[in-house]
Amino acid sequence: AQKITQTQPGMFVQEKEAVTLDCTYDTSDPSYGLFWYKQPSSGEMIFLIYQGSYDQQNATEGRYSLNFQKARKSANLVISASQLGDSAMYFCAMRESSNSGYSTLTFGKGTMLLVSP
Amino acid sequence: GAGVSQSPRYKVAKRGQDVALRCDPISGHVSLFWYQQALGQGPEFLTYFQNEAQLDKSGLPSDRFFAERPEGSVSTLKIQRTQQEDSAVYLCASSLTGVAVQPQHFGDGTRLSIL
Repeated sequence: AQKITQTQPGMFVQEKEAVTLDCTYDTSDPSYGLFWYKQPSSGEMIFLIYQGSYDQQNATEGRYSLNFQKARKSANLVISASQLGDSAMYFCAMRESSNSGYSTLTFGKGTMLLVSP
Repeated sequence: GAGVSQSPRYKVAKRGQDVALRCDPISGHVSLFWYQQALGQGPEFLTYFQNEAQLDKSGLPSDRFFAERPEGSVSTLKIQRTQQEDSAVYLCASSLTGVAVQPQHFGDGTRLSIL
C-alpha cells in the first residue's frame, strides 16, 4: 500500500479563493511527521508546513494551514487567499521514526495547483 | 551558505559517460539525503549520510550509483556508465538531525539528461 496518497492530480482555483489539497497517509508508527512542500516549475522544493503526530493543534504558517485528522489519517493543506505565485506542484510527505535514529521522507505523487486571475 | 547548494544545475551527458553531482548542505546539518525525482513523480529516497557515515543506501537503484561525504559536509553523488533511465532531477536535502520531527531543507536540484 502507498504510504502517502494524493488523489488530486490537478486543482484549479481563482485568485483570492481558498483551496484544499488532499493527503492521506498510512503508518502504524505512533510517532511521525507530516510535511508539505511546494515545487515551482524552477524545480526547488520549498518547505511549507509541518505537523507532528503528537501535536494537539493544527499547524499554521501564514496563508498555509494543515487540516490534521489523525483518526482518518489525513493531513490536508489549506491555502487561503490564493495568489498567482501559488501555482506550483505540491507534495505531501511523511517521516516516520525509526530505531536506527534517522528517518527519510516518503512523498506522494503530488498535486499541480493552477491559480487563475 | 544560507541554504542547500547543488551543482551543476543542469547536466547533459551521453549514455555511458560518468557524472558527478555535488551537494553542499546547510552548515552544521548532520543529516544529508539524496533523492531522485523522475518526471511527474515525487522524489524517491536514494541514500542517507549522518556526518561522514553512509547509514542507508537502500534506495540506490544499481551499483552504478555511488555517494560519498568524506568530511561530513559536502557530498557527491556519482553515476557511472549512465543510462537513459538515469535521466531525472537529483535532489539533495539536509536536516539538523535525523529525527522525524526535523524538516529537511532541499537544494534546487540537478536536472540530469542522458542522451
